Amino acid sequence: EIVLTQSPTTIAASPGEKVTITCRASSSVSYMYWYQQKSGASPKLWIYDTSKLASGVPNRFSGSGSGTSYSLTINTMETEDAATYYCQQWSSTPLTFGSGTKLEIK
Amino acid sequence: QVQLKESGPGLVQPSQTLSLTCTVAGFSLTSYNVHWVRQPPGKGLEWMGVIWNTGGTRYNSALKSRLSISKDTSKSQVFLKMNSLQTEDTATYYCARERLNYGGYSGFAYWGQGTLVTVSS
Repeated sequence: EIVLTQSPTTIAASPGEKVTITCRASSSVSYMYWYQQKSGASPKLWIYDTSKLASGVPNRFSGSGSGTSYSLTINTMETEDAATYYCQQWSSTPLTFGSGTKLEIK
Repeated sequence: QVQLKESGPGLVQPSQTLSLTCTVAGFSLTSYNVHWVRQPPGKGLEWMGVIWNTGGTRYNSALKSRLSISKDTSKSQVFLKMNSLQTEDTATYYCARERLNYGGYSGFAYWGQGTLVTVSS
């Protein structure tokens, strides 16, 4: 099973600040997927195929990486970006998720 | 408009069997794969398994011995059955559809609202 380790676990950022969340895989994966989840809501696909923004996602978000190291970056933090973000892979079964990064507004 | 909606009992007794239904609209189960994902309260997401558009299935090995996923394409419904429930199975259960029906896995673009299942006597 590929274990995905996200860091940091929690981060607080001020509006306008740049934020980077990393996801490290225990083995190489071909693509990484990212989901945003707000309290009480279902997860939303945020980034697919490592770097492609899902429909409706603001272009201040970006994704990058390869092999075992991936990241999600917010160029300029906005209050609406406060949420928990999960990375996910399916290069190998079982499909696995990272444990999540909670992003808060400072 | 693509929609998925989970339904089932909110409370299940320990050692009993959980049965959930995911009713979909806006697409055909013969064209898209549907997955089940669960989330214990305050915790992360766990993939449970998938039913392919062809009707085949694949399960998380951690749950395989207890889990069964099936579907009725004529009713646009996907079913989850999991036996021998314990308190640690308390979670919100989601069904989710892949973004595309070609070219390999493409992420879960559509999710149901989720249904909270509590395992307690």
